[in-house]
Amino acid sequence: KQEVTQIPAALSVPEGENLVLNCSFTDSAIYNLQWFRQDPGKGLTSLLLIQSSQREQTSGRLNASLDKSSGRSTLYIAASQPGDSATYLCAVEGNKLVFGAGTILRVKS
Amino acid sequence: NAGVMQNPRHLVRRRGQEARLRCSPMKGHSHVYWYRQLPEEGLKFMVYLQKENIIDESGMPKERFSAEFPKEGPSILRIQQVVRGDSAAYFCASSQMDTNTGELFFGEGSRLTVL
Repeated sequence: KQEVTQIPAALSVPEGENLVLNCSFTDSAIYNLQWFRQDPGKGLTSLLLIQSSQREQTSGRLNASLDKSSGRSTLYIAASQPGDSATYLCAVEGNKLVFGAGTILRVKS
Repeated sequence: NAGVMQNPRHLVRRRGQEARLRCSPMKGHSHVYWYRQLPEEGLKFMVYLQKENIIDESGMPKERFSAEFPKEGPSILRIQQVVRGDSAAYFCASSQMDTNTGELFFGEGSRLTVL
């Protein structure tokens, strides 16, 4: 059974800092990994999708890496801004999409 | 191109009533997924449907819950005889391709409160 763990559970940083969110999964037989953002009371916004054959994806200030063999992914956020404050969810896709519990990020101005 | 549309956004029911949650996938998407998010918890898979077929319902409670995705119209998640523990946010996602290659797009969710 696939299990996804996200560390840290919560993170508070001053504006401008670079930060790393971690995701680990127990079953490396995945098709892809997605990072999502969820604002309070809102739905999920897809940030980055990494296919199993890829090692990283970049979008603006976001960079996600995938090491399938070790069951790990990281989301790197450069020059964080208060608008980045949200919950970040990692999800891996095997025969279904399995989510981690998320990292609650707060960027202080 | 409208995204995944869910309604109602908020639903209040008394114990024992029925709740019906609707999901219209993105245009051109024929794969629909339902997830439940309990307070302070992550999203849990419930069911995966294609048009007129349930592909995987391994996350659905055995009783009171059912889902359909008819040939015409939205996907429906139906909860009969609701209990307080059913209070949660229910999210629908759709994709154009099957689970191993398709990116999922999520709706804004339907928040069910059971009094």
